[in-house]
Amino acid sequence: AQKVTQAQTEISVVEKEDVTLDCVYETRDTTYYLFWYKQPPSGELVFLIRRNSFDEQNEISGRYSWNFQKSTSSFNFTITASQVVDSAVYFCALYGGGFKTIFGAGTRLFVKA
Amino acid sequence: DAGITQSPRHKVTETGTPVTLRCHQTENHRYMYWYRQDPGHGLRLIHYSYGVKDTDKGEVSDGYSVSRSKTEDFLLTLESATSSQTSVYFCAIPFPTSFYANTGELFFGEGSRLTVL
Repeated sequence: AQKVTQAQTEISVVEKEDVTLDCVYETRDTTYYLFWYKQPPSGELVFLIRRNSFDEQNEISGRYSWNFQKSTSSFNFTITASQVVDSAVYFCALYGGGFKTIFGAGTRLFVKA
Repeated sequence: DAGITQSPRHKVTETGTPVTLRCHQTENHRYMYWYRQDPGHGLRLIHYSYGVKDTDKGEVSDGYSVSRSKTEDFLLTLESATSSQTSVYFCAIPFPTSFYANTGELFFGEGSRLTVL
């Protein structure tokens, strides 16, 4: 069975702090994809990144970076110098066999000015 | 050019009444998904479809049925709504949007908020 665990329910930081959102996954598939999505207060779901199981390179996009480690089954997301606009719910997700994308419970991030 | 349209966007109904939510796509994609979002549970897959008349269950399918008679439409039906089905329902299709491509990246509709009193 596939599973995604986001142990942090809520995180609160002050603007300009760095914050890391944790994601741990379980799968028996050898080929799979991992994702992060953002859901701002307006409610829409916004895709942030996709990583396949054969690519463990870390990725950086502006203030966002992602650390994928197969050895620990983790795909963590770091926001550097957080801003109020980063306040949202962030979801980690996994797609393996079976054509289903499974989501974690989400981490709600509050960034205070 | 939204790609996915959900209707209704908001609905309030009473326990025991039937409810149908509609998802309409303009991308001609083979796959379509219904998720529900609840606090503490994230997004949970209800049902999905891999073609016209081809559907399968997700994690939380009890109390829900689906139908797909045309590529563009995927209907979610609550035969007899219960208060536990109060939720926000999202429809999704794979992205990039070509008929067979599916690497799990999803493009979501705007959501349908259902309240069952």
